[in-house]
Amino acid sequence: QVQLKESGPGLVQPSQTLSLTCTVSGFSLTSYSVHWVRQHSGKSLEWMGRMWSDGDTSYNSAFTSRLSISRDTSKSQVFLKMNSLQTEDTGTYYCARNGPGGYFDYWGQGVMVTVSS
Amino acid sequence: DIQMTQSPSLLSASVGDRVTLNCKASQNIYKNLAWYQQKLGEAPKLLIYNANSLQTGIPSRFSGSGSGTDFTLTISSLQPEDVATYFCQQYYSGSTFGAGTKLELK
Repeated sequence: QVQLKESGPGLVQPSQTLSLTCTVSGFSLTSYSVHWVRQHSGKSLEWMGRMWSDGDTSYNSAFTSRLSISRDTSKSQVFLKMNSLQTEDTGTYYCARNGPGGYFDYWGQGVMVTVSS
Repeated sequence: DIQMTQSPSLLSASVGDRVTLNCKASQNIYKNLAWYQQKLGEAPKLLIYNANSLQTGIPSRFSGSGSGTDFTLTISSLQPEDVATYFCQQYYSGSTFGAGTKLELK
């Protein structure tokens, strides 16, 4: 069955770089896009960026200058790297599969990230 | 950027009630709208896509309607397990989510 699972450090210091991994199973990264979505505690969802099935990427303009998404298809993994972290970047980070129409049909469990010294 | 506005932000209802949640887009998104349910401590779950298509495995008491800029999620008979926050999402241009409607039992 389709599964996505995020992993990464729970605590990052201000000004440092966040590195997260989304490991997928049950589908191929060359057939489906994968998105990264952030959620501040108790708040709404914020789309961050997308790894397309052809390897191209798209980013929310709010993050463009400090966000990078990449992948390793042999390991079924999608990576998020975001630099210059601030306390406002604290939240839960999800990866999600893009469904046939652009909606997100499967989500990972999320990984909570705290930015603090 | 397309903005999504949900109303109300908080809704209290009783078991068995018919419940309606609203979502308004800042421009025409045709039917490129999804609804998600998020229970406390869990990831969002897709309920409705393309404005009115029920995702596999979702109970038929959930339904979606609308097109253009105005959309509705309806729960025909509220159940205790429906307590959650509901988000709408447009995917016509990029992706943006509404602020959510928190649904609680009266």
